[in-house]
Amino acid sequence: ETGVTQTPRHLVMGMTNKKSLKCEQHLGHNAMYWYKQSAKKPLELMFVYSLEERVENNSVPSRFSPECPNSSHLFLHLHTLQPEDSALYLCASSQDLGQGVDTQYFGPGTRLTVL
Amino acid sequence: GQNIDQPTEMTATEGAIVQINCTYQTSGFNGLFWYQQHAGEAPTFLSYNVLDGLEEKGRFSSFLSRSKGYSYLLLKELQMKDSASYLCAVRDGNYKLSFGAGTTVTVRA
Repeated sequence: ETGVTQTPRHLVMGMTNKKSLKCEQHLGHNAMYWYKQSAKKPLELMFVYSLEERVENNSVPSRFSPECPNSSHLFLHLHTLQPEDSALYLCASSQDLGQGVDTQYFGPGTRLTVL
Repeated sequence: GQNIDQPTEMTATEGAIVQINCTYQTSGFNGLFWYQQHAGEAPTFLSYNVLDGLEEKGRFSSFLSRSKGYSYLLLKELQMKDSASYLCAVRDGNYKLSFGAGTTVTVRA
């Protein structure tokens, strides 16, 4: 059981498509994160939001566009992606921005395939 | 930059003990985390260390030596359900988590 949900769980898109990934957390947390997980590679932090303000944009290409309308929802808008963008996209949330044992809780991810 | 190393794969027998090592070189340190990730599922939190020493939680223990930039996760009395990927992550001086590539543990009957 997870307090962080993500939809869709699987997505196949062409390079000219526009799609959005959605994340919702039911934990009352103030911080939310997007990560990219490629096979055999470490999780890469993409974006961080704290109280709906973006605090981190980790040199991510502009074809990825995040949106955080409120502290419970986070979106990742995708357009003109490349095949190398195929990966598992994970959303996470934490109570605040990382103090003490404040851990990040992850959603199940969206498996994205770009054709 | 951040550099976090852990073995790619380990195999052990049901009921045995396995130790997963993690070494790190980071620009700041504000805690080390271990996560478990079953195939196709979300990473789930296992343990947190910020001071040197051993933290024990049931069958799982985690150790930290800050001076050596070293941690290990110890899994005792292995069960089939422990077959998963184990991720070591270091939090820098602020909030960013840097992850290792993960260690895939396979438990054999």
